[in-house]
Amino acid sequence: EAQVTQNPRYLITVTGKKLTVTCSQNMNHEYMSWYRQDPGLGLRQIYYSMNVEVTDKGDVPEGYKVSRKEKRNFPLILESPSPNQTSLYFCATGTSGRAPPPYEQYFGPGTRLTVT
Amino acid sequence: DAKTTQPNSMESNEEEPVHLPCNHSTISGTDYIHWYRQLPSQGPEYVIHGLTSNVNNRMASLAIAEDRKSSTLILHRATLRDAAVYYCILRDPRSGGGADGLTFGKGTHLIIQP
Repeated sequence: EAQVTQNPRYLITVTGKKLTVTCSQNMNHEYMSWYRQDPGLGLRQIYYSMNVEVTDKGDVPEGYKVSRKEKRNFPLILESPSPNQTSLYFCATGTSGRAPPPYEQYFGPGTRLTVT
Repeated sequence: DAKTTQPNSMESNEEEPVHLPCNHSTISGTDYIHWYRQLPSQGPEYVIHGLTSNVNNRMASLAIAEDRKSSTLILHRATLRDAAVYYCILRDPRSGGGADGLTFGKGTHLIIQP
């Protein structure tokens, strides 16, 4: 079964304590991405990766890091979380936008992060 | 990617058809029209896409205006499980460089009454 898994699903942490949200996919997709979703602002892209060892900034990358050492994994790292990073985070995987349509992206179940 | 405009919310009754409109008056000739939906407490999921012709799949139908400046997602027989936020998204396969991500607007919140 095609799956995108995220861990943890819920996390409450304190300001400044480094954390990692993991994302894994079993569809052999080259493209992976992280979004955050906030009320009134919708979904915004944080970082994306076109392939292993290739990552780039999305619309709201400040305060985040990513790595892509393996095709299936794309962890999101918050080195020093702050309260304004409290949000719902989604990992997504799919075909590159340069590939023929559809641009069908598969989203994970989400990680709700609260930074106090 | 060109901008889309959708109603904030719509309400329908269970087991009736639902027509969700999307305006995209600045669409380019190479923009594909995609629809995604987000069920409560879940990530978005792909529904359907099209370029010029109307399209059908197991989830929905997509009707595209002849001038492509608007489209309509049709749920033929809505169920309570179709209650979600529906996003209409344009994507141009030529737009390289950029995020390759999907630009989600606010979408239409579809409410289904039993």
